[in-house]
Amino acid sequence: DAGVIQSPRHEVTEMGQEVTLRCKPISGHDYLFWYRQTMMRGLELLIYFNNNVPIDDSGMPEDRFSAKMPNASFSTLKIQPSEPRDSAVYFCASSLMRNTEAFFGQGTRLTVV
Amino acid sequence: GNSVTQMEGPVTLSEEAFLTINCTYTATGYPSLFWYVQYPGEGLQLLLKATKADDKGSNKGFEATYRKETTSFHLEKGSVQVSDSAVYFCALSERQGGKLIFGQGTELSVKP
Repeated sequence: DAGVIQSPRHEVTEMGQEVTLRCKPISGHDYLFWYRQTMMRGLELLIYFNNNVPIDDSGMPEDRFSAKMPNASFSTLKIQPSEPRDSAVYFCASSLMRNTEAFFGQGTRLTVV
Repeated sequence: GNSVTQMEGPVTLSEEAFLTINCTYTATGYPSLFWYVQYPGEGLQLLLKATKADDKGSNKGFEATYRKETTSFHLEKGSVQVSDSAVYFCALSERQGGKLIFGQGTELSVKP
């Protein structure tokens, strides 16, 4: 398996634009996690899914953020409208089942100017 | 809610020195515990794990023991190398819901 695949690797956008980050989890994994990493706040859990269903989105910072998982092999994290303070590295991770190792993607470095 | 607290970094050591990175957690029930490592420009990767009290996880010379009585999972290595320079994250996975929560990370720098 190729591992967790995220795209794009880098995204530079202007304030106010819509940004969509994409993730393909490892095949057969039931859990999918979205994290945001910044120097100030470290690694924050935004939302996670089990069998494509959102379980906990309490980490989503504002209504500008939304995440979907339309099927077992694809998830998106959307920011609309984007703001400079959204600049961060966004990671997607998946795990086979509860309490097992999570595999991380390479991350998407988002810069909002 | 559940949480993980790590010692603040950066930690700077000389090659072959002994390493300890402290990690304590707050959780209801009995979570699984993990240490992840992140090298520059990369995602996190699992270093070791423990799923129940008194379990010892080990990998690449690193060890950590799940201590329920002190709610701790400290990372240790007897002799660090320059190649161990990275950021280390302690994490817990909630037994019931599967939520995976990370500490703030500890940067380790090993000098030759």
